[in-house]
Amino acid sequence: DTEVTQTPKHLVMGMTNKKSLKCEQHMGHRAMYWYKQKAKKPPELMFVYSYEKLSINESVPSRFSPECPNSSLLNLHLHALQPEDSALYLCASSQVAVPTYGYTFGSGTRLTVV
Amino acid sequence: KNQVEQSPQSLIILEGKNCTLQCNYTVSPFSNLRWYKQDTGRGPVSLTIMTFSENTKSNGRYTATLDADTKQSSLHITASQLSDSASYICVVRAGGTSYGKLTFGQGTILTVHP
Repeated sequence: DTEVTQTPKHLVMGMTNKKSLKCEQHMGHRAMYWYKQKAKKPPELMFVYSYEKLSINESVPSRFSPECPNSSLLNLHLHALQPEDSALYLCASSQVAVPTYGYTFGSGTRLTVV
Repeated sequence: KNQVEQSPQSLIILEGKNCTLQCNYTVSPFSNLRWYKQDTGRGPVSLTIMTFSENTKSNGRYTATLDADTKQSSLHITASQLSDSASYICVVRAGGTSYGKLTFGQGTILTVHP
């Protein structure tokens, strides 16, 4: 299995809703990432988990709350989002200590906040 | 500051023609460079990955080159197909950390016309 699976593929939510994005990989990767990508822009790093512990938080607003319940799963909990949070949210994973391996990205969740 | 610059920003070619995309980087310490293809609204898909010691790598109709001395890479696409229409992103992974921080280029949007 060489895939990163993200669900749902599309999500429309109101500004008062609470929703979660899910990401799963079974490649034995111990680093997992959340990225936000706006149209025609490169992905922007949000969070990095290394061995299920939060390593990096790139000053992301608290309305985004990541969770890594085990080495295969990564969640992103969403609450009280703003319309400007509408974007493609990408999950990625990588081997932690092997620098010759890059990242494997999921196909993303297209989020629309109304 | 680590940077990756790609050129051209966009490119239109006719089906069956070849093209070359460029990537210049200033990332230190260098770990590896990867070219990704990203269809609109989808996650990036890896085409090639190159480390410091590699200067050419092919994947079907895609051939990437790396000149570590001048910090330049190119992606050559031969016999283009309509399905090659996408954004092509050059991504450089920095060494020095256990997970390796990524620096993304802005991408080249390739459009292949029949």
